Amino acid sequence: ETGVTQSPTHLIKTRGQQVTLRCSSQSGHNTVSWYQQALGQGPQFIFQYYREEENGRGNFPPRFSGLQFPNYSSELNVNALELDDSALYLCASSLVDSNYGYTFGSGTRLTVV
Amino acid sequence: QQQVKQSPQSLIVQKGGISIINCAYENTAFDYFPWYQQFPGKGPALLIAIRPDVSEKKEGRFTISFNKSAKQFSLHIMDSQPGDSATYFCAAKKAGSARQLTFGSGTQLTVLP
Repeated sequence: ETGVTQSPTHLIKTRGQQVTLRCSSQSGHNTVSWYQQALGQGPQFIFQYYREEENGRGNFPPRFSGLQFPNYSSELNVNALELDDSALYLCASSLVDSNYGYTFGSGTRLTVV
Repeated sequence: QQQVKQSPQSLIVQKGGISIINCAYENTAFDYFPWYQQFPGKGPALLIAIRPDVSEKKEGRFTISFNKSAKQFSLHIMDSQPGDSATYFCAAKKAGSARQLTFGSGTQLTVLP
């Protein structure tokens, strides 16, 4: 299986709730990163996982957390959702020692009401 | 703090024309500069990338020009086609920061038939 797949495609949550987004990395990729893309903006780096550990984090609060599993799939968890969390959440995978860029998934569109 | 500034926000060109998108960066620690293309409903896809030891890189109709002293780089799309209509993002990566990319705010390109 090739490519990065994300689920669900769309999601509507209520403020204060918790959400889990899922990502399956491209075959052979050992690094996964998550980005938040607000409408009309460029993606913003949330964090990156390698060998099941977080090895880089952007300016996002601790209520954004993640997991990477031995099969390189990943989850993004967001607690205590706020209206400003409404965005497209992108998962991207790569090889840690590769000179090539990411392969992005199509994203999960999260709407917080 | 926006570390990568992209312009213009939107661009309309005629089929066969040249599309030019510009980016400027502030952090001299950046060592990798990719351009991504994003279609509606899809994640960004790597188009072309350059490292600061090279002043120009060409792949098909796409060329990156890089000016290290001015801390600027640009994407040129030659012979623009309606199928090139998409949002384009420049990005930059710091040396040693694994895969963390800092994106520009995007340029919506429309190529008229």
